[in-house]
Amino acid sequence: KNEVEQSPQNLTAQEGEFITINCSYSVGISALHWLQQHPGGGIVSLFMLSSGKKKHGRLIATINIQEKHSSLHITASHPRDSAVYICAVRSGNEKLTFGTGTRLTIIP
Amino acid sequence: EPEVTQTPSHQVTQMGQEVILRCVPISNHLYFYWYRQILGQKVEFLVSFYNNEISEKSEIFDDQFSVERPDGSNFTLKIRSTKLEDSAMYFCASSVSSGGSLQYFGPGTRLTVT
Repeated sequence: KNEVEQSPQNLTAQEGEFITINCSYSVGISALHWLQQHPGGGIVSLFMLSSGKKKHGRLIATINIQEKHSSLHITASHPRDSAVYICAVRSGNEKLTFGTGTRLTIIP
Repeated sequence: EPEVTQTPSHQVTQMGQEVILRCVPISNHLYFYWYRQILGQKVEFLVSFYNNEISEKSEIFDDQFSVERPDGSNFTLKIRSTKLEDSAMYFCASSVSSGGSLQYFGPGTRLTVT
């Protein structure tokens, strides 16, 4: 059973700050997903990673397979980035195991 | 941009009743999923579906649950006899392939069992 831990649980930052959210997992995986859950509940997939680094706009996701660790970075953070960011891992077949999420609040 | 849709957005039902949650995945996607999120808790995998059959299911997905793709566009989750603890947000998702692609989530159906 894969355990997925995220840190921090809550993060408040000023607009413009560089944000880092961390995800660690206990068992080897085939892929890691970063998701964004808006206050209304909707979920948006941000990245799917199996190695290295991906970038989309102000978002960057990295993964270190040996360390069983991934980070999600947000550059030049904006109040509209306020959401819950969720890490989920795929260890075998189809099942995704989710972390508890990091609640990010960006203050103007 | 294509999107996954779900109906209804909110369903209230009495304990013991059957409910069917409906999803329309993105049209060229081949893999379909149901997840649930109990209020204040993390998202949990229920089931994945490919080629008209279940490819994987979690321990939550017991005999009270079933999934179907009745007509080539809809993907449904049925709960036969609802319990209070089935109250949750249910998300449908779809993807082009299994391991190598993003999953696209619907907006969710909030199920309230009274």
